[in-house]
Amino acid sequence: EIVLTQSPATLSLSPGERATLSCRASQSISSYLAWYQQTPGQAPRLLIYSASNRATGIPARFSGSGSGTDFTLTISSLEPEDFAVYYCQQRSNWPSCSFGQGTKLEIK
Amino acid sequence: EVQLLESGGGLVQPGGSLRLSCEASGITFHAYAAGWVRQAPGKGLEWVSSISGSAISTYYADSVRGRFIISRDKSKNTLYLQMNSLRAEDTAVYYCAKDLYYDSSTIFDYWGQGTLVTVSS
Repeated sequence: EIVLTQSPATLSLSPGERATLSCRASQSISSYLAWYQQTPGQAPRLLIYSASNRATGIPARFSGSGSGTDFTLTISSLEPEDFAVYYCQQRSNWPSCSFGQGTKLEIK
Repeated sequence: EVQLLESGGGLVQPGGSLRLSCEASGITFHAYAAGWVRQAPGKGLEWVSSISGSAISTYYADSVRGRFIISRDKSKNTLYLQMNSLRAEDTAVYYCAKDLYYDSSTIFDYWGQGTLVTVSS
């Protein structure tokens, strides 16, 4: 079983600041990693797939990097609507997949 | 605009059954794989099941294999999840999601708003 560990659990920042979220896999998953954003009461939204590819309609301030076991989601300059919970997801053991426990990005 | 609308959730007793539906609009749904992802109250996301665009291939999480059945109706642009032998731990919001590709990749680029399933006596 591949376990994804996200850090930090909670990140407190102000609008305009840069956010760096981490996702670490328990074994190598190549680039089979996606990032999703979920705001309260809403469905998840795909941001990044295959570690670094932005999904359709996602602003350029969101970027993903990493391969193997260590991955990063960066939001270059936080907008008010970016405060949400972020999940990473691996699909290395396709057809199954799993999600990390989430990082809550809150307003400082 | 792509929209996915789930229905069929509700309260069911342990051991009972429920069928969820997900109707797609604004897209030729059978041109893509699709799946179900659930979220227990206050918890994270858990993949449940996926189906290819052709509906020939189906995939299940270990936690639901043998109890849940995923299917789709091309003519109705609709995805289904038949849930049998329900347990308390199946209580969650169930999201329908469209896959990025025809063959299942579990990269989900569009999601419904979810339907709540509560398993309790």
